[in-house]
Formats: sequence, C-alpha cells, structure tokens
Amino acid sequence: QVQLVQSGAEVKKPGASVKVSCKASGYTFTSYGISWVRQAPGQGLEWMGWISAYNGNTNYAQKLQGRVTMTTDTSTSTAYMELRSLRSDDTAVYYCARDGVGYCSGGSCSRYYYDSSGYYLDDAFDIWGQGTMVTVSS
Amino acid sequence: SYELTQPPSVSVSPGQTARITCSGDALPKQYAYWYQQKPGQAPVLVIYKDSERPSGIPERFSGSSSGTTVTLTISGVQAEDEADYYCQSADSSGTYGDVVFGGGTKLTVL
Repeated sequence: QVQLVQSGAEVKKPGASVKVSCKASGYTFTSYGISWVRQAPGQGLEWMGWISAYNGNTNYAQKLQGRVTMTTDTSTSTAYMELRSLRSDDTAVYYCARDGVGYCSGGSCSRYYYDSSGYYLDDAFDIWGQGTMVTVSS
Repeated sequence: SYELTQPPSVSVSPGQTARITCSGDALPKQYAYWYQQKPGQAPVLVIYKDSERPSGIPERFSGSSSGTTVTLTISGVQAEDEADYYCQSADSSGTYGDVVFGGGTKLTVL
C-alpha cells in the first residue's frame, strides 16, 4: 500500500542540525512531490516547504528560508529534510506528506501556478508519514 | 501575513450535523483542503479542492465554498468523528505562495 515511513525521534542541542528521512513505497516516487509540515506541542500545523521528486526543485516557507534544506534520493525513494541552527521553538513533530509533483515550465517546477484567470492552483497532501518528534533542549 | 480563520471549537450531539467554517480573503481565487487529526495521529485528508472527497472518506463528509468562506460539513456525526480539523490554502498575495493552515477546530461529539 501507499505509505511514507519516517525516521525515529531525535534530541538535539540548540544550534545543532537535524536531518529527518521519509521513505516512500507503493507508488512511483518521481511522479509526486513531498511537503514537510511540523506541529509544535499542543499547536497547529505549519508548512515548511516542498520538493519535487521529479527534479529536486524546491519551494521553502519564507520563515525558514536559509535554515532548511530538502533533498531526495530517487534510488531509494527517500526524501530528507534538514533544519539547521536549531532553537527551542523548533521542538515539534515533523511530518512528511505526499504532494503534487509540481507545475513545470522550461525544466523548472514550482509547487503552484496561476492559471490564465489568476486562480492559484496546487495539490493536496494526500498521504502522511507517521511523524518524527524532534526535541531541542540544552 | 495571510491567515485562515477557524472557530476554535464546535460541539454537536451524535447524529446531528456539524459545520466548520474557514475564512480567508484569498479563498475566492484558490482551492481549500480539509484535514482530520485525531490525538497522537498524523492528519488525514478528508476534502480536497473545496468539495472533492478522497476515496475511503465517508460520504457524510462534504465541503463547500462561498466567497471568502469554505465550510466542512459532517452529516450524521458519529463519535469517531471527534477530532481536530484544519483547513489549508495558500498565501497567494506574496511572491512565495506559502501554504497556510487555519488554526484548527476541535470537534466535540457530546
């Protein structure tokens, strides 16, 4: 069946980096993208960014630009999310979710595009990983 | 920054109809999505593109859109529907197009 399986819980000190993996199975990895979403304890959902598994193009959340890097390894159908310069408020459950492959033009893909009438078009997060708890504490 | 506004909580008795709203200025020009999250579990997509239901989601879940508000309707609510519900869309006003989630609505089945 279609599933995303994430790596295990992590405990990191402030200033360190963490890299979470997300292994896909049951579908053609390169026909979709992966978004990462995090959830602080007792809080709502926060989108972190998207990567196209087709060509590795990324869209990162403005808030995390410069601190986050998303990559894929198509040989193992695995996506990775690395977050650097960790702070205590990065403590959260981190989820990967299957997303659209992106809207591509001239070899470059974006998670979204605007049609001729100005309508913003994107895709749903239709399959989610089980989540990875990342705790940042001194 | 762009926000999607949901009521913090909605309560209904079993068998009744629950309606959860989500408001945002950009919703007339983009799709909305709805996710159900039960305690300790990952979110599950229940509605996509305003009103489409994924396979495996019960027919009692439906979605609608009117102007700047989208609504998730659960008809004939069951105890198992008690969960947090999040709407999702995007900040299409800026150059980044960031995905945005509403703050979530806790559905309590009395």
